[in-house]
Amino acid sequence: EVQLVESGGGLVQPGGSLRLSCAASGFTFSDHYMDWVRQAPGKGLEWVGRTKNKANSYTTEYAASMEGRFTISRDDLKNSLYLQMNSLKTEDTAVYFCAREFLYCGGGTCYTRWYFDLWGRGTLVTVSS
Amino acid sequence: DIVMTQSPDSLAVSLGERATINCKSSQSVLYSSNNKNYLAWYQHKPGQPLKLLINWASTRESGVPDRFSGSGSGTDFTLTISSLQAEDVAVYYCQQYYSAPCTFGQGTKLEIK
Repeated sequence: EVQLVESGGGLVQPGGSLRLSCAASGFTFSDHYMDWVRQAPGKGLEWVGRTKNKANSYTTEYAASMEGRFTISRDDLKNSLYLQMNSLKTEDTAVYFCAREFLYCGGGTCYTRWYFDLWGRGTLVTVSS
Repeated sequence: DIVMTQSPDSLAVSLGERATINCKSSQSVLYSSNNKNYLAWYQHKPGQPLKLLINWASTRESGVPDRFSGSGSGTDFTLTISSLQAEDVAVYYCQQYYSAPCTFGQGTKLEIK
């Protein structure tokens, strides 16, 4: 089954750290750019960051508000995506989703577009004392 | 960053009636070189993964019922459900992927009247 399953959420104190995981199955994970998106309680969706694929040097990009505190990584052998969150703030409380970017391959060429054709159900992170 | 603003925030429609959700971007998401609007629509039901409905503003994803349609260009877009079904109750989001960072609308909650 093609799916993404997040894990690792929980309660953490302000200033603390947490590592989220996203297990991918049913597709060639290594080909895709992968993203984290979050949703704070009662709020809309907010892009967190992304990691590109090996062909693009696993380049990572982050939302400005998370740059320097959050680190995205991936393990293509384990079909897994990670989000290391440090120096957590109460405003980081949210459901965190992993999402797959659209990828098209044809005629020997692949291209990606920054919309998301597969999402996980999310994992809740609560930052509170 | 491009700001995406949806209207209304919530909407109640009778079964079988039309539902219309609007999305406005703070700047154009139309790429002139290919004449494509970099705009997607998603459906989110509680406890389920988000589902991609439409990309390029008007291209339905495979398997999405044809009662869902997207329209618009430039800065103004619309998601229309032609005949509301009970299973369409959800929150709907638009997203631009024209420029970094990608950004989402705040969501529109669709309910049955």
